[in-house]
Amino acid sequence: DTEVTQTPKHLVMGMTNKKSLKCEQHMGHRAMYWYKQKAKKPPELMFVYSYEKLSINESVPSRFSPECPNSSLLNLHLHALQPEDSALYLCASSQVGRGLEAFFGQGTRLTVV
Amino acid sequence: AQKITQTQPGMFVQEKEAVTLDCTYDTSDPSYGLFWYKQPSSGEMIFLIYQGSYDQQNATEGRYSLNFQKARKSANLVISASQLGDSAMYFCAMREGPGSARQLTFGSGTQLTVLP
Repeated sequence: DTEVTQTPKHLVMGMTNKKSLKCEQHMGHRAMYWYKQKAKKPPELMFVYSYEKLSINESVPSRFSPECPNSSLLNLHLHALQPEDSALYLCASSQVGRGLEAFFGQGTRLTVV
Repeated sequence: AQKITQTQPGMFVQEKEAVTLDCTYDTSDPSYGLFWYKQPSSGEMIFLIYQGSYDQQNATEGRYSLNFQKARKSANLVISASQLGDSAMYFCAMREGPGSARQLTFGSGTQLTVLP
């Protein structure tokens, strides 16, 4: 099983809403990532979790709050987002180590209205 | 400075022909990995091929091969016998340094269109 599952696939939320994105993998990977991708641009790293601990936060605004409850799950909690936060949010996982590929989910297309 | 450079925003290729997508990189780290991903319009990033900095031979995976020229810091993707389903955005990416959870740095991408 080389699958990373993200839910929901599409999400429309108002600027005052609170929502969460979910990501799950069962490959035994101990590194998990959140990326943000705007249309026709490359993915930009947001957060990295290594062994369920936050190891990298790329200066992401606090309205995005990651959580890694266990080694298989990664959440991204959203609160008071802005329209410019509308994007494709990609989750990925990998083994911890040199030169190993990351497996990506299909992403959540988020629209903030 | 750009770590990964893809100079072809868009490429066209005839079905069944071969196509080369360019990628150059910049790093002073002797230990790094280079990756190519395909992203169809559905959004999923699909891993295609990997080349390690210490690998002696060019990587191959089915119709995909990586033309790795270390001295020139280039890692071009060659797709042989193009198919209509190959139409997608292609990203070159790099991971530097050994160990730990190191993030991928992506190039700007090349939009490939396969013509019937």
